[in-house]
Amino acid sequence: KAGVTQTPRYLIKTRGQQVTLSCSPISGHRSVSWYQQTPGQGLQFLFEYFSETQRNKGNFPGRFSGRQFSNSRSEMNVSTLELGDSALYLCASSFMGLGQETQYFGPGTRLLVL
Amino acid sequence: DQQVKQNSPSLSVQEGRISILNCDYTNSMFDYFLWYKKYPAEGPTFLISISSIKDKNEDGRFTVFLNKSAKHLSLHIVPSQPGDSAVYFCAATRPSGNTPLVFGKGTRLSVIA
Repeated sequence: KAGVTQTPRYLIKTRGQQVTLSCSPISGHRSVSWYQQTPGQGLQFLFEYFSETQRNKGNFPGRFSGRQFSNSRSEMNVSTLELGDSALYLCASSFMGLGQETQYFGPGTRLLVL
Repeated sequence: DQQVKQNSPSLSVQEGRISILNCDYTNSMFDYFLWYKKYPAEGPTFLISISSIKDKNEDGRFTVFLNKSAKHLSLHIVPSQPGDSAVYFCAATRPSGNTPLVFGKGTRLSVIA
């Protein structure tokens, strides 16, 4: 079974721009969660999508948004980029979603904002 | 307010010895705990988990201990191998509340040959 894939793997943007990241979950998985990892911080939860609906949301500003398509693929969008948005963005998939189910992570997209 | 804390940013251990990674949590509602391992340029990989109804869970060289009264858990790796060198994240959740995983900041383990 193919793992979670994320594209692109690396991205450089400038302040004020917007960016869209993509995540393809493991086949059959319906839940996709997004996390931000910054130097010195753990992974911080952004949001979770399940069957095209946002089911849970972390404490991030509205500039961070996402969506999920009918094939469970998910995109995350960050508008009006700030220097502090430079981070590794990870997505994770599972069959039913948050909870005891093991989440499988993709390799991440490393975003650098200049 | 950091609900899951890994107070040691790094740890060095000799190959063959025991590695002990520690994690503390503050939210008494958490009742399921997980450890993830992360290599550079890869996403975190699930390692082992434990439910609050247990105080120990073992999987090969990896054992997780949970002390609910102290709100403390630890991961023991015996024997440690160079391939274990990675960043280890502790995470906690409350499955009944469908809550997201809350991660610690990670501990970088270096196993020296």
